[in-house]
Amino acid sequence: ETGVTQSPTHLIKTRGQQVTLRCSSQSGHNTVSWYQQALGQGPQFIFQYYREEENGRGNFPPRFSGLQFPNYSSELNVNALELDDSALYLCASSTNLGGYGYTFGSGTRLTVV
Amino acid sequence: KNEVEQSPQNLTAQEGEFITINCSYSVGISALHWLQQHPGGGIVSLFMLSSGKKKHGRLIATINIQEKHSSLHITASHPRDSAVYICAVRGSQGNLIFGKGTKLSVKP
Repeated sequence: ETGVTQSPTHLIKTRGQQVTLRCSSQSGHNTVSWYQQALGQGPQFIFQYYREEENGRGNFPPRFSGLQFPNYSSELNVNALELDDSALYLCASSTNLGGYGYTFGSGTRLTVV
Repeated sequence: KNEVEQSPQNLTAQEGEFITINCSYSVGISALHWLQQHPGGGIVSLFMLSSGKKKHGRLIATINIQEKHSSLHITASHPRDSAVYICAVRGSQGNLIFGKGTKLSVKP
C-alpha cells in the first residue's frame, strides 16, 4: 500500500506567476481534497475531486483550480500568485468522499515573493 | 466563531503527565478526526470516531455527540509526543473542517 506523495516539497515563486502542485492518491482511493494552511492556522478547504470531477469547493477564488486524473492523482493550479498565497498546501486522499478516513501527504510549502 | 474550536492553543507538560486536549464543534457531523502534525508539516491520522471512545496505545479519544464535544487524552506523556494536535470534523461536502490546533510540548 503506497501513501500519498506531494511534489514539490518546497517552492519559491514570484507574485503574478502561476504554480502547479501535484498529489498522488493512496492505492484504492478515489477522492483527493486540497487544503491551504497558513502559518499558525488550521488547514482551510480549497476543493475536492471525486472520480475526476470537482465535488465541493471552499471559499477560494477561481484562480485556484484543479484536476484529477484517471489514476486519481491530482493537481492544484494557482494563477496570478499573491503574497498571501504563501502557505503549506496539503492534499488528502480517501475513499468515497472520506467516509473511511483520510491519508495525508507531507505538503508543499509555497513561498510567494 | 469558528465551527471547530480547540483548547488550549498551547500546552507545556512534564514527561509523564496526563494530557487532555478539548474540541468543540457547532456543525452537524458524521465523524470527528484527531490528527497529529509534526514540524515538517505532514499530518498523521490518529482517530476517526462518531461515538463513544477509542484507544490506541497511550492515546484515548472520546466524543459526546449530544454536547458536540470531544477530548484527546495522552497518558504518561513523552517528549516524542510533542507536536500539534488538530481536531477536524467531516463536513457536508465530505471535506474536513479543521480546528486551529493545539501545540503540545512535553519536557523531559
